[in-house]
Amino acid sequence: DTGVSQNPRHKITKRGQNVTFRCDPISEHNRLYWYRQTLGQGPEFLTYFQNEAQLEKSRLLSDRFSAERPKGSFSTLEIQRTEQGDSAMYLCASSLASQYSNQPQHFGDGTRLSIL
Amino acid sequence: DQQVKQNSPSLSVQEGRISILNCDYTNSMFDYFLWYKKYPAEGPTFLISISSIKDKNEDGRFTVFLNKSAKHLSLHIVPSQPGDSAVYFCAASAPSDSWGKLQFGAGTQVVVTP
Repeated sequence: DTGVSQNPRHKITKRGQNVTFRCDPISEHNRLYWYRQTLGQGPEFLTYFQNEAQLEKSRLLSDRFSAERPKGSFSTLEIQRTEQGDSAMYLCASSLASQYSNQPQHFGDGTRLSIL
Repeated sequence: DQQVKQNSPSLSVQEGRISILNCDYTNSMFDYFLWYKKYPAEGPTFLISISSIKDKNEDGRFTVFLNKSAKHLSLHIVPSQPGDSAVYFCAASAPSDSWGKLQFGAGTQVVVTP
């Protein structure tokens, strides 16, 4: 399977703990995106990378959230000091794109985070 | 601010008939639009897209129509099949964001009945 891969699929943790999710994009894709989805809503943009550069972060993203893509391949999203409101599905997507063209983003199956 | 809106949370259609899903947007900078389908416990799957230089794009049973003056797009599925039962999301992006950020509607739940 050469699609977008996310691990773990589910994460249950206690409030105040740190969590880290991993995303492996489609191999030839240079862009990687993180979204968050809550029940009854569409995915909400968090941040994206082009190669290893983080090009945009949502202003809704608190300082407790950090994302990296150190070698321009896989990415990690870390949430520090988790809160109840962080419970959501975290989706990763990738695409082959540049500032001069657009291509569809392809999504993984997400990591479902539950905060106890 | 919700810049992409899907005002119908659900749609029920008989197998073999046409499904029409609607989407409205407010940001005139959007110029690339996509539809995704989502099954429970899976990520969104890309269905079809359209650039603002076109007003129609077709791919098999799926056709997307874009009305720029009304800031409205629609997805037609003909004929509808039971496997089409899913949540459908409309999304849009703008060149000012280097098309990096997709803004999604809240989704429409489609149920195809036999």
